Parts: sequence; structure tokens; C-alpha cells
Amino acid sequence: GNSVTQMEGPVTLSEEAFLTINCTYTATGYPSLFWYVQYPGEGLQLLLKATKADDKGSNKGFEATYRKETTSFHLEKGSVQVSDSAVYFCALSERSGGGADGLTFGKGTHLIIQP
Amino acid sequence: DTAVSQTPKYLVTQMGNDKSIKCEQNLGHDTMYWYKQDSKKFLKIMFSYNNKELIINETVPNRFSPKSPDKAHLNLHINSLELGDSAVYFCASSQAMTGTETQYFGPGTRLLVL
Repeated sequence: GNSVTQMEGPVTLSEEAFLTINCTYTATGYPSLFWYVQYPGEGLQLLLKATKADDKGSNKGFEATYRKETTSFHLEKGSVQVSDSAVYFCALSERSGGGADGLTFGKGTHLIIQP
Repeated sequence: DTAVSQTPKYLVTQMGNDKSIKCEQNLGHDTMYWYKQDSKKFLKIMFSYNNKELIINETVPNRFSPKSPDKAHLNLHINSLELGDSAVYFCASSQAMTGTETQYFGPGTRLLVL
């Protein structure tokens, strides 16, 4: 079956630090990859996505590149802000299954940015 | 405008009761989903549904049943609530069900079973 593995944290950084959250996946077919963010007390919002190998998703200074050879989709940001404090979820959706199986999520990484 | 809305936001109830959570999307999407987020924040798909088929995660007890009165709504009915049903339930929608689309999530319903 499909699975997503990511560092769980909490990850604590100082403002303006460089951020990397690792994400690796296992899939039976050719998945699309996503990063979602959950702010306290809220639902999930799409941060970025990539649907094929070597695609780079980017949004709000965050980036992730779909690496099929290493089955990875690591999230990076050059300079984090206090407002980036949230829980970040890596997820995949299996295209060969028609997407009917929904998103398979990692366990989430709690990111805390200190001023 | 709220894209995906859920009611109620909070639900506290006794073990053994039957309850429903409503979900509505105004995005014109064809596909809707229900996810469960446990106390450790782990998210798991419960159902996927479009106007053609319902896909049920095999681990979901049959006490849980989705009902869709129309394309914009997918409600979740839970019978004989158990303590382990306490969680946050998220509704989501997407344009189609090919696996590449973005899913849009509601704000969640926090269910506490006493």
C-alpha cells in the first residue's frame, strides 16, 4: 500500500532560519505529491503540489521538488517567519487509482518559529 | 465566501448516541471526501464520493455512513457513538477524482464522545 513518512517534530527554529522538512513516500503507481499546512484550530490548506517527476511546487517562499529517483518531496524555505508556525503535512494521491482512495498523509510536522 | 463549510464546529455527546455532521461546498466540485484526524493529528481517509460512486475505506466501521442529498453536500451519520470516535472530522472536495487535483478542506468538526 501507499505510505508517507515525514519527520514529526516538533521542529523549533529561530526567525529567518532555513527550513527543511523531509518527506519520503512509497506508492504502487505514479502519485501526485502535496504539502498541506494546518494552522491552530483550522482546517488544512494546500501549500504546494507537484504532479510529475522533477516538477517543483512553490508558494509563499516554500518549495518542494518531486524526486522520483529518491521517492522524496522535501519542503524548504529560505527564511522562516513566526507566522509560519503550524503543522505541515506531506501527502500523496494515487493517479492510477483514480484518486478515489483520497490523500495518504504523513503524520505531520509541528513547526515552531521563535522570534 | 466559505468554500467548504461544516456544521457543527464542536459536538459533545454521550456514548451510544447517533449524530450527524453536515458538509457543504460551493465550489461546484464533483467529488467530496471525509477524513478523520485523531488525537495525534494523524489524518486518514474515510470516504470518497462523487455522483457515480462511493468508495469506503475498509477500516471504517459500518456505524459510519455518508449521505449525499445533492452534489454540493456530503453529510456524515454516525450511529451508536463510541469513545474511540472522538476526533476531528474534516470534509473536503475536489473538482474530480483523478488524483492530481487539489482538495479543499473544511474547518473541521471536533467530536467528543463522553
